[in-house]
Amino acid sequence: GESVGLHLPTLSVQEGDNSIINCAYSNSASDYFIWYKQESGKGPQFIIDIRSNMDKRQGQRVTVLLNKTVKHLSLQIAATQPGDSAVYFCAENIVPGTYKYIFGTGTRLKVLA
Amino acid sequence: DAGVTQSPTHLIKTRGQQVTLRCSPKSGHDTVSWYQQALGQGPQFIFQYYEEEERQRGNFPDRFSGHQFPNYSSELNVNALLLGDSALYLCASSLGGDRAGDEQFFGPGTRLTVL
Repeated sequence: GESVGLHLPTLSVQEGDNSIINCAYSNSASDYFIWYKQESGKGPQFIIDIRSNMDKRQGQRVTVLLNKTVKHLSLQIAATQPGDSAVYFCAENIVPGTYKYIFGTGTRLKVLA
Repeated sequence: DAGVTQSPTHLIKTRGQQVTLRCSPKSGHDTVSWYQQALGQGPQFIFQYYEEEERQRGNFPDRFSGHQFPNYSSELNVNALLLGDSALYLCASSLGGDRAGDEQFFGPGTRLTVL
Protein backbone atom coordinates (compact mmCIF):
# COMPACT_ATOMS: atom_id res chain seq x y z
CA GLY A 1 0.00 0.00 0.00
CA GLU A 2 0.99 3.63 -0.23
CA SER A 3 3.06 5.24 2.49
CA VAL A 4 1.62 7.74 4.91
CA GLY A 5 3.95 10.48 6.02
CA LEU A 6 6.90 10.17 3.64
CA HIS A 7 8.77 13.14 5.12
CA LEU A 8 7.42 13.27 8.66
CA PRO A 9 9.52 13.55 11.81
CA THR A 10 10.56 10.06 12.83
CA LEU A 11 10.96 8.59 16.30
CA SER A 12 12.89 5.34 16.46
CA VAL A 13 12.44 3.28 19.62
CA GLN A 14 13.78 -0.09 20.72
CA GLU A 15 11.14 -2.76 21.23
CA GLY A 16 10.12 -2.84 24.87
CA ASP A 17 11.12 0.76 25.57
CA ASN A 18 8.66 3.57 26.23
CA SER A 19 7.79 6.06 23.47
CA ILE A 20 6.85 9.70 23.85
CA ILE A 21 5.30 11.56 20.94
CA ASN A 22 4.75 15.30 21.24
CA CYS A 23 2.34 17.71 19.62
CA ALA A 24 1.84 21.46 19.79
CA TYR A 25 -1.76 22.51 19.24
CA SER A 26 -2.93 25.81 17.84
CA ASN A 27 -6.08 27.08 19.54
CA SER A 28 -6.27 27.88 23.24
CA ALA A 29 -10.08 27.55 23.02
CA SER A 30 -9.91 23.91 21.86
CA ASP A 31 -11.62 21.75 24.48
CA TYR A 32 -11.14 18.21 23.23
CA PHE A 33 -8.11 16.39 21.85
CA ILE A 34 -7.60 13.00 20.24
CA TRP A 35 -4.56 10.93 19.34
CA TYR A 36 -4.86 8.82 16.20
CA LYS A 37 -2.67 6.05 14.81
CA GLN A 38 -2.50 5.63 11.05
CA GLU A 39 -0.97 2.61 9.38
CA SER A 40 -0.03 2.60 5.73
CA GLY A 41 -3.07 2.36 3.47
CA LYS A 42 -5.58 2.75 6.29
CA GLY A 43 -7.64 5.50 7.85
CA PRO A 44 -6.70 6.99 11.24
CA GLN A 45 -7.53 4.79 14.21
CA PHE A 46 -8.66 6.32 17.53
CA ILE A 47 -6.19 5.70 20.37
CA ILE A 48 -7.11 7.94 23.29
CA ASP A 49 -8.77 11.27 23.96
CA ILE A 50 -8.68 13.96 26.63
CA ARG A 51 -10.83 16.95 27.50
CA SER A 52 -9.44 20.34 28.41
CA ASN A 53 -10.58 20.02 32.05
CA MET A 54 -8.07 17.20 32.53
CA ASP A 55 -4.28 17.13 32.35
CA LYS A 56 -3.74 13.37 32.18
CA ARG A 57 -5.64 10.33 31.00
CA GLN A 58 -4.53 6.72 30.89
CA GLY A 59 -5.59 3.88 28.67
CA GLN A 60 -4.18 0.45 28.03
CA ARG A 61 -0.40 1.01 27.56
CA VAL A 62 -1.04 4.62 26.52
CA THR A 63 -1.15 7.89 28.45
CA VAL A 64 -2.02 11.33 27.16
CA LEU A 65 -0.77 14.46 28.90
CA LEU A 66 -2.19 17.92 28.27
CA ASN A 67 -0.41 21.15 29.18
CA LYS A 68 -2.76 24.02 28.38
CA THR A 69 -0.28 26.67 29.53
CA VAL A 70 2.03 25.94 26.61
CA LYS A 71 -0.58 24.30 24.33
CA HIS A 72 1.23 20.98 24.33
CA LEU A 73 -0.04 17.44 24.09
CA SER A 74 1.96 14.23 24.44
CA LEU A 75 1.29 10.55 23.92
CA GLN A 76 3.23 8.02 25.94
CA ILE A 77 3.28 4.40 24.82
CA ALA A 78 4.56 1.90 27.37
CA ALA A 79 6.56 -1.20 26.35
CA THR A 80 6.48 -0.30 22.65
CA GLN A 81 5.76 -3.23 20.34
CA PRO A 82 6.41 -3.76 16.60
CA GLY A 83 2.68 -3.38 15.99
CA ASP A 84 2.92 0.19 17.29
CA SER A 85 4.90 1.22 14.20
CA ALA A 86 2.74 3.78 12.39
CA VAL A 87 2.22 7.52 11.95
CA TYR A 88 0.66 9.23 14.96
CA PHE A 89 -1.44 12.39 14.72
CA CYS A 90 -2.87 14.63 17.38
CA ALA A 91 -6.16 16.38 16.60
CA GLU A 92 -7.83 19.32 18.35
CA ASN A 93 -11.49 20.30 18.25
CA ILE A 94 -11.18 23.97 17.33
CA VAL A 95 -14.93 24.65 17.40
CA PRO A 96 -16.29 23.06 20.58
CA GLY A 97 -19.53 21.16 20.03
CA THR A 98 -18.69 20.36 16.41
CA TYR A 99 -16.40 17.94 14.62
CA LYS A 100 -14.18 20.61 13.11
CA TYR A 101 -10.80 19.12 13.95
CA ILE A 102 -7.33 20.32 13.08
CA PHE A 103 -4.71 17.61 12.80
CA GLY A 104 -1.05 18.01 13.61
CA THR A 105 1.64 17.19 11.06
CA GLY A 106 2.20 13.71 12.44
CA THR A 107 5.13 11.69 13.76
CA ARG A 108 6.31 8.38 12.35
CA LEU A 109 7.11 5.83 15.05
CA LYS A 110 9.57 3.09 14.10
CA VAL A 111 9.99 0.21 16.50
CA LEU A 112 13.37 -1.51 16.27
CA ALA A 113 13.57 -5.21 17.04
CA ASP B 1 -21.41 -3.96 14.05
CA ALA B 2 -20.38 -2.45 10.74
CA GLY B 3 -17.67 0.16 10.83
CA VAL B 4 -17.33 3.12 8.50
CA THR B 5 -17.27 2.09 4.87
CA GLN B 6 -16.19 4.12 1.85
CA SER B 7 -16.37 3.55 -1.88
CA PRO B 8 -14.64 3.31 -4.18
CA THR B 9 -11.25 2.32 -2.75
CA HIS B 10 -9.28 3.87 -5.59
CA LEU B 11 -10.24 6.23 -8.39
CA ILE B 12 -8.38 7.78 -11.30
CA LYS B 13 -9.74 10.90 -13.03
CA THR B 14 -8.43 13.53 -15.40
CA ARG B 15 -8.31 17.28 -14.86
CA GLY B 16 -11.65 19.02 -15.29
CA GLN B 17 -13.71 15.95 -14.53
CA GLN B 18 -16.11 15.53 -11.63
CA VAL B 19 -16.03 12.84 -8.96
CA THR B 20 -18.42 11.48 -6.32
CA LEU B 21 -17.19 9.61 -3.28
CA ARG B 22 -19.46 7.71 -0.90
CA CYS B 23 -19.49 6.98 2.82
CA SER B 24 -21.67 4.90 5.12
CA PRO B 25 -21.25 5.77 8.80
CA LYS B 26 -20.80 3.35 11.66
CA SER B 27 -24.04 1.77 12.82
CA GLY B 28 -25.84 4.13 15.22
CA HIS B 29 -23.95 7.24 14.10
CA ASP B 30 -25.71 10.19 12.50
CA THR B 31 -22.91 12.63 11.68
CA VAL B 32 -20.39 12.43 8.86
CA SER B 33 -17.29 14.55 8.36
CA TRP B 34 -15.02 14.56 5.32
CA TYR B 35 -11.28 15.11 5.31
CA GLN B 36 -8.64 15.42 2.61
CA GLN B 37 -5.22 13.92 3.34
CA ALA B 38 -2.39 14.78 0.95
CA LEU B 39 0.62 12.48 0.96
CA GLY B 40 2.86 13.16 3.93
CA GLN B 41 0.38 15.41 5.71
CA GLY B 42 -2.33 15.20 8.31
CA PRO B 43 -6.01 15.12 7.35
CA GLN B 44 -7.61 18.50 6.57
CA PHE B 45 -11.25 19.11 7.48
CA ILE B 46 -13.51 19.69 4.47
CA PHE B 47 -17.01 19.74 6.01
CA GLN B 48 -19.39 18.05 8.43
CA TYR B 49 -22.97 16.88 7.82
CA TYR B 50 -25.66 16.38 10.44
CA GLU B 51 -29.41 16.10 9.90
CA GLU B 52 -28.79 16.31 6.15
CA GLU B 53 -27.25 19.78 6.44
CA GLU B 54 -23.71 21.07 6.18
CA ARG B 55 -22.90 22.26 9.71
CA GLN B 56 -19.23 23.21 9.55
CA ARG B 57 -16.87 23.87 6.68
CA GLY B 58 -13.11 24.10 6.35
CA ASN B 59 -11.10 26.21 3.92
CA PHE B 60 -12.09 24.43 0.74
CA PRO B 61 -13.53 26.04 -2.41
CA ASP B 62 -17.11 25.63 -3.58
CA ARG B 63 -15.93 22.95 -6.01
CA PHE B 64 -16.19 20.68 -2.98
CA SER B 65 -19.78 19.93 -2.08
CA GLY B 66 -21.59 17.22 -0.23
CA HIS B 67 -24.84 15.62 0.67
CA GLN B 68 -26.23 13.54 3.49
CA PHE B 69 -29.12 11.15 2.98
CA PRO B 70 -31.92 10.23 5.43
CA ASN B 71 -30.09 6.97 6.24
CA TYR B 72 -27.09 9.13 7.34
CA SER B 73 -24.84 8.03 4.48
CA SER B 74 -23.03 10.81 2.68
CA GLU B 75 -21.46 11.80 -0.63
CA LEU B 76 -18.57 14.11 -1.37
CA ASN B 77 -18.56 15.72 -4.81
CA VAL B 78 -15.62 17.51 -6.35
CA ASN B 79 -16.09 19.43 -9.61
CA ALA B 80 -13.51 20.68 -12.10
CA LEU B 81 -10.78 18.45 -10.70
CA LEU B 82 -7.27 19.84 -10.38
CA LEU B 83 -4.02 17.92 -10.10
CA GLY B 84 -3.79 19.18 -6.50
CA ASP B 85 -6.99 17.37 -5.59
CA SER B 86 -5.07 14.09 -5.68
CA ALA B 87 -5.25 12.80 -2.12
CA LEU B 88 -6.74 10.27 0.26
CA TYR B 89 -10.31 11.31 1.10
CA LEU B 90 -11.41 10.18 4.52
CA CYS B 91 -14.88 9.94 5.96
CA ALA B 92 -15.35 10.11 9.73
CA SER B 93 -18.46 8.96 11.55
CA SER B 94 -19.75 10.25 14.90
CA LEU B 95 -22.77 11.23 16.95
CA GLY B 96 -24.26 14.68 16.63
CA GLY B 97 -26.68 16.68 18.74
CA ASP B 98 -25.62 16.88 22.39
CA ARG B 99 -22.79 14.42 21.68
CA ALA B 100 -21.22 16.60 19.01
CA GLY B 101 -17.49 16.94 19.49
CA ASP B 102 -16.93 13.45 20.90
CA GLU B 103 -14.78 10.78 19.31
CA GLN B 104 -15.10 10.07 15.64
CA PHE B 105 -14.23 6.94 13.71
CA PHE B 106 -12.57 6.99 10.32
CA GLY B 107 -13.15 4.84 7.28
CA PRO B 108 -10.31 3.40 5.17
CA GLY B 109 -10.48 6.27 2.68
CA THR B 110 -10.73 6.67 -1.08
CA ARG B 111 -7.48 7.28 -2.92
CA LEU B 112 -8.16 9.81 -5.71
CA THR B 113 -5.56 10.35 -8.41
CA VAL B 114 -6.04 13.22 -10.86
CA LEU B 115 -4.00 13.01 -14.07
